[in-house]
Amino acid sequence: GAGVSQSPSNKVTEKGKDVELRCDPISGHTALYWYRQSLGQGLEFLIYFQGNSAPDKSGLPSDRFSAERTGGSVSTLTIQRTQQEDSAVYLCASSFSGPSTDTQYFGPGTRLTVL
Amino acid sequence: GQNIDQPTEMTATEGAIVQINCTYQTSGFNGLFWYQQHAGEAPTFLSYNVLDGLEEKGRFSSFLSRSKGYSYLLLKELQMKDSASYLCAVQGTNAGKSTFGDGTTLTVKP
Repeated sequence: GAGVSQSPSNKVTEKGKDVELRCDPISGHTALYWYRQSLGQGLEFLIYFQGNSAPDKSGLPSDRFSAERTGGSVSTLTIQRTQQEDSAVYLCASSFSGPSTDTQYFGPGTRLTVL
Repeated sequence: GQNIDQPTEMTATEGAIVQINCTYQTSGFNGLFWYQQHAGEAPTFLSYNVLDGLEEKGRFSSFLSRSKGYSYLLLKELQMKDSASYLCAVQGTNAGKSTFGDGTTLTVKP
């Protein structure tokens, strides 16, 4: 069906608040990835899901960050007690089976601004 | 860990050829990706190299030398729409984890 979608497209929040970002992967894609991109920077890997499990969570920057995926489809990235340094574009991508050769298709991203 | 280096900016003329280099030092290597990212948009996949050599895909080609920790993206017959950031990403042996370079901003001038 349609490409990867993410919501909200923009989120402005106050320091200390919790935020939840959502990703809807392409239907049938079993692998899902979260990245963070600060202004003018490259992509920073956060976490990867194969189905509902996350083999690699080492990219999560702190214990304030968590992610889950249910039903092998939608994923949410939660940031607790947001800090100004969390401001970035959060990108989600999905691929058909796994990370080896499958093309990752990116969503439009959620721009998070922490005041 | 992974360390990836690519030039910050490059400028080229419409119709010309440009080569964007990427060097990496990694503790493990599974493959190397190139992505294109226009300003304000999400990255889009260009190529994936696992074995040494040149992979050609239309106006874009990507080269890999694993022994040298080196890759390049070659863009031919440049068009104005090729102005974008080009991201080199190395996939390590940890499942799913790719490390991205900071990207090369290419400006194509008439």
